[in-house]
Amino acid sequence: GAGVSQSPRYKVAKRGQDVALRCDPISGHVSLFWYQQALGQGPEFLTYFQNEAQLDKSGLPSDRFFAERPEGSVSTLKIQRTQQEDSAVYLCASSSEEGGTNYGYTFGSGTRLTVV
Amino acid sequence: GQNIDQPTEMTATEGAIVQINCTYQTSGFNGLFWYQQHAGEAPTFLSYNVLDGLEEKGRFSSFLSRSKGYSYLLLKELQMKDSASYLCAVNDYKLSFGAGTTVTVRA
Repeated sequence: GAGVSQSPRYKVAKRGQDVALRCDPISGHVSLFWYQQALGQGPEFLTYFQNEAQLDKSGLPSDRFFAERPEGSVSTLKIQRTQQEDSAVYLCASSSEEGGTNYGYTFGSGTRLTVV
Repeated sequence: GQNIDQPTEMTATEGAIVQINCTYQTSGFNGLFWYQQHAGEAPTFLSYNVLDGLEEKGRFSSFLSRSKGYSYLLLKELQMKDSASYLCAVNDYKLSFGAGTTVTVRA
């Protein structure tokens, strides 16, 4: 596609509910990142995929967070038993290069998750 | 650990110049990005500095001093549409962001 697509755009979850957030990167992009952006803050790194391999998950805040990219394209971020502190915008970014890039990452518009 | 600091807010008049400073102390460094983010939208790429010095792109310029752990973004001839958050991000294959600087442009 022309850009990085994320769905849903907005999600309201009741505390304790499981949610799944989807990211469709630019076709052919090797690298895919997930970030969490709290209100008024900069994005915080969650996890990194190179093709289907999850090479870094050091930013995942707890074992309730799980991400996958089984075929090296679409990725899903799953949050189990959501808590209020999980309320944030979840951003996905992709890049055509492996690892660091000189050309920037293309970000999706994000999924705004509100846990009530 | 990563420590990236930038001012929280800046206000300027249409047509003026604003400089947003960013200081960083990070465990790794492969370059520094500046992104623009309008409320509710994705961050969009503005500039990338790897080497020391000034990079100019139209109304936007960015400067880097690696020895000082310092960068700035210069916005010239401000327009109302430049009202947004500006994010400084250090690249160590993954990005570490500052909290963002909200720039408000007034008529």
